[in-house]
Amino acid sequence: AQTVTQSQPEMSVQEAETVTLSCTYDTSESDYYLFWYKQPPSRQMILVIRQEAYKQQNATENRFSVNFQKAAKSFSLKISDSQLGDAAMYFCAYRGFVMNRDDKIIFGKGTRLHILP
Amino acid sequence: DGGITQSPKYLFRKEGQNVTLSCEQNLNHDAMYWYRQDPGQGLRLIYYSQIVNDFQKGDIAEGYSVSREKKESFPLTVTSAQKNPTAFYLCASSIDGVGQRANYEQYFGPGTRLTVT
Repeated sequence: AQTVTQSQPEMSVQEAETVTLSCTYDTSESDYYLFWYKQPPSRQMILVIRQEAYKQQNATENRFSVNFQKAAKSFSLKISDSQLGDAAMYFCAYRGFVMNRDDKIIFGKGTRLHILP
Repeated sequence: DGGITQSPKYLFRKEGQNVTLSCEQNLNHDAMYWYRQDPGQGLRLIYYSQIVNDFQKGDIAEGYSVSREKKESFPLTVTSAQKNPTAFYLCASSIDGVGQRANYEQYFGPGTRLTVT
């Protein structure tokens, strides 16, 4: 079974600095998708970034980028120029390539990110 | 506006009563999901459905029940058998259905905070 591990329950970063959140996963599949979700204090889950495993190029969305290491099964999120609005719980997630009847997305336990003014 | 609606935002019930949480989506998504989130914790999957009139148990289905009679609706009933029902409940949907490439993220509703006393 697939698993997703976020080893940092909490992190802090100074405003305007860069921070990296770690995520590792385990799967026997060769094709899959990885996501980072953000959950701010409002508790609304928001997709931050998506990576297709068959793409070697790391995904980037403005100040958010990932470091996808397929062989190492690592999928870290880098936030550049941290802003107060980035304070949130961040979840790493995995899902397989093709939807099966019992397919589901696997979430890590989350990393709470604090931004220090 | 397309999206996922969960109502109500806050729900209070007495112990021993069943309660139904509403989840409606107008995104024409095939798949729908229910998650439970306890304070400071990650998401735990309760039930999910990839197609109308079919649903699967997630990791913590005991004490819960669902139905999927319409594509746009996936109500969750928290029964009196659920030993610790107080939690934050999130509903999600995704566009892809069985047999499709699972490259789409889940969209989340705003959640329902259930308190049982």
